[in-house]
Amino acid sequence: GENVEQHPSTLSVQEGDSAVIKCTYSDSASNYFPWYKQELGKGPQLIIDIRSNVGEKKDQRIAVTLNKTAKHFSLHITETQPEDSAVYFCAAGHSGAGSYQLTFGKGTKLSVIP
Amino acid sequence: DTEVTQTPKHLVMGMTNKKSLKCEQHMGHRAMYWYKQKAKKPPELMFVYSYEKLSINESVPSRFSPECPNSSLLNLHLHALQPEDSALYLCASSQDLGRQGGEAFFGQGTRLTVV
Repeated sequence: GENVEQHPSTLSVQEGDSAVIKCTYSDSASNYFPWYKQELGKGPQLIIDIRSNVGEKKDQRIAVTLNKTAKHFSLHITETQPEDSAVYFCAAGHSGAGSYQLTFGKGTKLSVIP
Repeated sequence: DTEVTQTPKHLVMGMTNKKSLKCEQHMGHRAMYWYKQKAKKPPELMFVYSYEKLSINESVPSRFSPECPNSSLLNLHLHALQPEDSALYLCASSQDLGRQGGEAFFGQGTRLTVV
């Protein structure tokens, strides 16, 4: 099955700095790579995703890059703000019969210091 | 509307009780999922329903019984649970886009405590 490694497990940055979270996956059949933000007591919120036919995707302060050859993908948050503080999960999966079987990384606790 | 609604938000049940968790979405998504999340851990997939049919069961104990009455509703029936089953239970749904799936959206979860 799929195995997703995520680093670092904790990350502290000053407000305004950038944050980078990295993930690797093992299953070459995986073709969908979402990132989720989870605040305390809430469900995961999809913040950005990328598919295997794309190398990079950007949405305002958030960007994701994918290197299929290396089986590596990363989340980049620029101009961090205190409200970015949360746990971030990467995930990898492939679609079958109209659904996804996602495997999650262990999460990164991001703290943005004002 | 990208909302997945789960009820109840919190549930405390004894080991001999029978209870059900409910999940609802009105986005027209044809895939629905149950995940289990322990504290400080990532979500773990339990069940996948695709077009109201169970397509994946990740070797979940039979004390958890999923049900998909229609394309908008997903239930998880609980019976004879153990204290170690205490966790946040998350429902998610995604759209079938043909050769590729759509984004998976999660509900806020049901915080289950087994006493």
